[in-house]
Amino acid sequence: QVQLVQSGAEVKKPGASVRVSCKASGYRFSNYGFSWVRQAPGQGLEWMGWISGYNGRVNYAQKLQGRLTMTTDTSTSTAYMELRSLRSDDTALYYCAKDKNVGSALDVWGQGTTVTVSS
Amino acid sequence: QSVLTQPPSVSGAPGQRVTISCTGSSSNIGAGYDVHWYQQLPRTAPKVLIYGDNNRPSGVPDRFSGSKSGPSASLAITGLQAEDEADYYCHSYDGSLRGVVFGGGTKLTVL
Repeated sequence: QVQLVQSGAEVKKPGASVRVSCKASGYRFSNYGFSWVRQAPGQGLEWMGWISGYNGRVNYAQKLQGRLTMTTDTSTSTAYMELRSLRSDDTALYYCAKDKNVGSALDVWGQGTTVTVSS
Repeated sequence: QSVLTQPPSVSGAPGQRVTISCTGSSSNIGAGYDVHWYQQLPRTAPKVLIYGDNNRPSGVPDRFSGSKSGPSASLAITGLQAEDEADYYCHSYDGSLRGVVFGGGTKLTVL
C-alpha cells in the first residue's frame, strides 16, 4: 500500500537547523510530488512548500523563503525538508504529503514529525 | 489570518445536516482553482474527504459532499454521526501568492 514514513521527533535550540525525512513506498516516486505542511500546537494547517518527485522543482511559501530547502533522493524514494535559523514559533508537527502538483489534493500523509525549538 | 476563511466551529445533532463554508477571493477559489477538504481526527494526520471541488476518494461515505460557487466553497455532511466530530480544513491554490492556502479550520461538534 502507499505509505509515507517520516523520521523521528527532534529537539533543537533557537538558531539551529532541522532536517526531516519522508520515505515513500508503494507507488512510482517520480510520478508525484510532496507538499510539506506544519501544524503548530493547537493551530491549523500551514503549507510550507512543494517539491516534484520527477525533477526536484520546488515552490516555497513566501513566508519561509530563504530558510527552507526541500530535496529528494530518487534512489531511496525519500523527500527531505530542511528548515534553518529555527525560532520558537517553528515548534510544530511537520507532515509530508503526496500530491500530483502544487494545488492538487494531498491524498496520502506521513505520520508527522514533532519539532520542538527550545533553549 | 488565513487566506481562506472558515467558521471556527459548527455543531449539529446526530442525523442532522451541517455545512462548513470556505470563503476565498478572486485569486484563489474565485479564479477557478480546485478546492479540497480534509478531516483531521484528534491526534491523527489529516485525511482527504473531497478533492477537485466535489469528488470523493474511494472509501469516503457519500454523506460527505462538496460544492463551489464563485469565491466560496462548502462541505456538507448529512446524517451526522458521533465519529464525524473532528476538525475540517479547506485547501486551494492562490495565483497571487503562487502557493497553496488552507482555511483556518472548523471544529465540528456532534451534540
